[in-house]
Amino acid sequence: AQRVTQPEKLLSVFKGAPVELKCNYSYSGSPELFWYVQYSRQRLQLLLRHISRESIKGFTADLNKGETSFHLKKPFAQEEDSAMYYCALLTGNQFYFGTGTSLTVIP
Amino acid sequence: DVKVTQSSRYLVKRTGEKVFLECVQDMDHENMFWYRQDPGLGLRLIYFSYDVKMKEKGDIPEGYSVSREKKERFSLILESASTNQTSMYLCAGWGGINSPLHFGNGTRLTVT
Repeated sequence: AQRVTQPEKLLSVFKGAPVELKCNYSYSGSPELFWYVQYSRQRLQLLLRHISRESIKGFTADLNKGETSFHLKKPFAQEEDSAMYYCALLTGNQFYFGTGTSLTVIP
Repeated sequence: DVKVTQSSRYLVKRTGEKVFLECVQDMDHENMFWYRQDPGLGLRLIYFSYDVKMKEKGDIPEGYSVSREKKERFSLILESASTNQTSMYLCAGWGGINSPLHFGNGTRLTVT
């Protein structure tokens, strides 16, 4: 069952442009959602989680239960944001990941 | 600084070999996971363990087994490696609610 959907495999934006990485989930309970990021040659790491409602590196993500979405946004993309981004859903004690979106920020 | 360490960064094995992928964490976490990461498929859960000697199948356990004899170590075993198991394997530890997953650097396994 597809629990987390990231519709874009590749996304390119110009430096300074807004960026939005889409994530939709399927879960009947109360979801706990995360964004993980993998920069080139680095390990996968947590970017942000919805319950903290923080802005990390200029990124925010709002949980929309009506649309079952958790899109990641940044108003002004930077070159260092180029990376692979994964949306993840925690149900019970298992994490389910989307297929990932590779973001390229063009200078 | 929390650490999840995977013993090998790159491995090349032959079809039919028995392969061990080792993962050690120093965070005293009960929960540990093995994922494989493939382009276009994302991270898929192979097995996870929520305690010593406990293991649960994930979404793609076929062809794999695991061992958790000590809290800090979670091993992934390919009983008879096949070419379709060529992939990046990621180990992760988790301390429970309000904790993030901590990943290792990954082991890139090539089966020829």
